[in-house]
Amino acid sequence: ELKVEQNPLFLSMQEGKNYTIYCNYSTTSDRLYWYRQDPGKSLESLFVLLSNGAVKQEGRLMASLDTKARLSTLHITAAVHDLSATYFCAVVMGSRGTYKYIFGTGTRLKVLA
Amino acid sequence: KAGVTQTPRYLIKTRGQQVTLSCSPISGHRSVSWYQQTPGQGLQFLFEYFSETQRNKGNFPGRFSGRQFSNSRSEMNVSTLELGDSALYLCASSRDAANYGYTFGSGTRLTVV
Repeated sequence: ELKVEQNPLFLSMQEGKNYTIYCNYSTTSDRLYWYRQDPGKSLESLFVLLSNGAVKQEGRLMASLDTKARLSTLHITAAVHDLSATYFCAVVMGSRGTYKYIFGTGTRLKVLA
Repeated sequence: KAGVTQTPRYLIKTRGQQVTLSCSPISGHRSVSWYQQTPGQGLQFLFEYFSETQRNKGNFPGRFSGRQFSNSRSEMNVSTLELGDSALYLCASSRDAANYGYTFGSGTRLTVV
C-alpha cells in the first residue's frame, strides 16, 4: 500500500530564513500536489506537479518532483509570518480517469516574527 | 466563480444516529471525492464519484456510503455513528483530477457525542 511521509512534522522557523519540507512516497506515481491548510479551514491548492523534474514557483514557495527518487520538496525562501500553516503533499494514485489522493502526514509550519 | 459548497458546516450527532452530508461541486466538474480528516489518521480517501457512478472507494466500513446525482451534486451518509467518526469531512471536485487536481470545499465538522 502506498505510504506518503512528510518531514519534518513540525517546523518552527524565524522570519527571513530558508527551509525545505520533504515528501517521500513508496510507490510509482508521476503526479503530486501540494496543499496548504490554515487552522479550521479547507485545503488550498498550491502546486500541481505532473512529471519528473517538474518545478513550480509561487512567491516564496518552490516545489519540485523527482519521480525516480519518489521525492518532492517544498522550499521556503525568506519565510514570512503569513506562511504559517500546515502543508500537505498528495500523491495521485489511479488510472483510466479515476484517481484518489494519498495525503502525507502534513507539516505544521510556524514562522516566528 | 462559486467554489465547492458543503452543507452543513457543523453538525453534532449522538452515537447510533445517522447523518447525511451534502456537497455541490464547481459547475462543470463531474468528479467528486470525499475525504475524512482527523488528528490521528490525517486525511483519508473515502470515495470518488463520476457521472453518478462510484469509481473508487477507500478502506472504510460499509457504514460510510455516498451517491452522486445527475447534476453532479453528491451526498455522503454515515449510519450508526460512532465516536470515532468525529472528523472534518471534505468534499472535492475536479474537471480532470489527474491534470488539474481537486478543489476542496470548506468541509463539514461532524462531532459525535
